[in-house]
Amino acid sequence: EAQVTQNPRYLITVTGKKLTVTCSQNMNHEYMSWYRQDPGLGLRQIYYSMNVEVTDKGDVPEGYKVSRKEKRNFPLILESPSPNQTSLYFCASSPEPQGNSPLHFGNGTRLTVT
Amino acid sequence: LAKTTQPISMDSYEGQEVNITCSHNNIATNDYITWYQQFPSQGPRFIIQGYKTKVTNEVASLFIPADRKSSTLSLPRVSLSDTAVYYCLARSYNTDKLIFGTGTRLQVFP
Repeated sequence: EAQVTQNPRYLITVTGKKLTVTCSQNMNHEYMSWYRQDPGLGLRQIYYSMNVEVTDKGDVPEGYKVSRKEKRNFPLILESPSPNQTSLYFCASSPEPQGNSPLHFGNGTRLTVT
Repeated sequence: LAKTTQPISMDSYEGQEVNITCSHNNIATNDYITWYQQFPSQGPRFIIQGYKTKVTNEVASLFIPADRKSSTLSLPRVSLSDTAVYYCLARSYNTDKLIFGTGTRLQVFP
């Protein structure tokens, strides 16, 4: 089944403890991106990747890192999480970075930082 | 980058047609308009996409006027299961950054 898989679905951690949220797609998509969703703010892009080894900042990149060593994987890294990073996170991919290329989203990771 | 503006919320009753309008005044020539539906605790999912005029699929219609500064998602005869948040997105060729609006929360009542 074609899908975007995020892990874990739920994560509770403490301030400063490094964590990684994984994202994997099995559709050979070129474009991948990460979003956070907070009440009243909609979806805000954190980082995106146009292809392997090509990543760049979205609207809210502070406090996050990403890597794209393989086409299928795009992990989101929080080196030193803080409570303001408590949020619902989504990974998405599309065949190409083009207007007529719909995004496929994962089911989300709910992160709580205490 | 085309920013989009949508109503924050809408209410409807089962069986009615619902039209949700999205404003994108600074849309670029190469931008496509795509609508997504999101249920609680799930990722958004693709509904429909268009460039201009009218597009229809099995779940919705999308109307884009000639000036393309707005678009309207039309849901015919909504049911309770259409209660969700709907996002429109303007996306261009080789677009890197994507800006979603805050979405429209549709509540369907029996």
